[in-house]
Amino acid sequence: AQSVSQHNHHVILSEAASLELGCNYSYGGTVNLFWYVQYPGQHLQLLLKYFSGDPLVKGIKGFEAEFIKSKFSFNLRKPSVQWSDTAEYFCAVTGSARQLTFGSGTQLTVLP
Amino acid sequence: DVKVTQSSRYLVKRTGEKVFLECVQDMDHENMFWYRQDPGLGLRLIYFSYDVKMKEKGDIPEGYSVSREKKERFSLILESASTNQTSMYLCASSPGGEREQYFGPGTRLTVT
Repeated sequence: AQSVSQHNHHVILSEAASLELGCNYSYGGTVNLFWYVQYPGQHLQLLLKYFSGDPLVKGIKGFEAEFIKSKFSFNLRKPSVQWSDTAEYFCAVTGSARQLTFGSGTQLTVLP
Repeated sequence: DVKVTQSSRYLVKRTGEKVFLECVQDMDHENMFWYRQDPGLGLRLIYFSYDVKMKEKGDIPEGYSVSREKKERFSLILESASTNQTSMYLCASSPGGEREQYFGPGTRLTVT
């Protein structure tokens, strides 16, 4: 069965710091990869997705992620975070199963 | 914009009660999903449906059932609510295959 690991459970940064959130998955075949974000009190929304092609994908609000097939990773990055980026971030993958498998989430707190 | 709505934002029920959670999507999506979200565990799939009157078990179906009588509506049923079913319940829909999912606002269910 496929699985997704997010090793950072809680990340605290100051505004303008750079962000990288780790995501690793276990599945050897073709995958579709996603990052979702849940702002406080809001519903889960799609940040970015990778299906095929350029392994560096850009999403909303200045976020990007890089798919490294050899490392089974899909890390999320942002060069300079803002206070409004405080949220919980979930990595997800579809592979052997048609449904999404989610990681346990990373809570990001950005200090003003 | 895709809209996924859930019947209640907050619900309080007693142990042993039968609970219905309703979800409606307005984009004619084939696929619908029910998850529960718990701190530190991410999202776990309860049931999903790829077509009307069709359902498949997810990772944690025990204690739950579902109904999909119309394409736009997917109901989650707790036959006899228990305190360990206190959680946030999220509904999602997707256009098909392994595409991204669109989430509703969630229902926070408390079973006392």
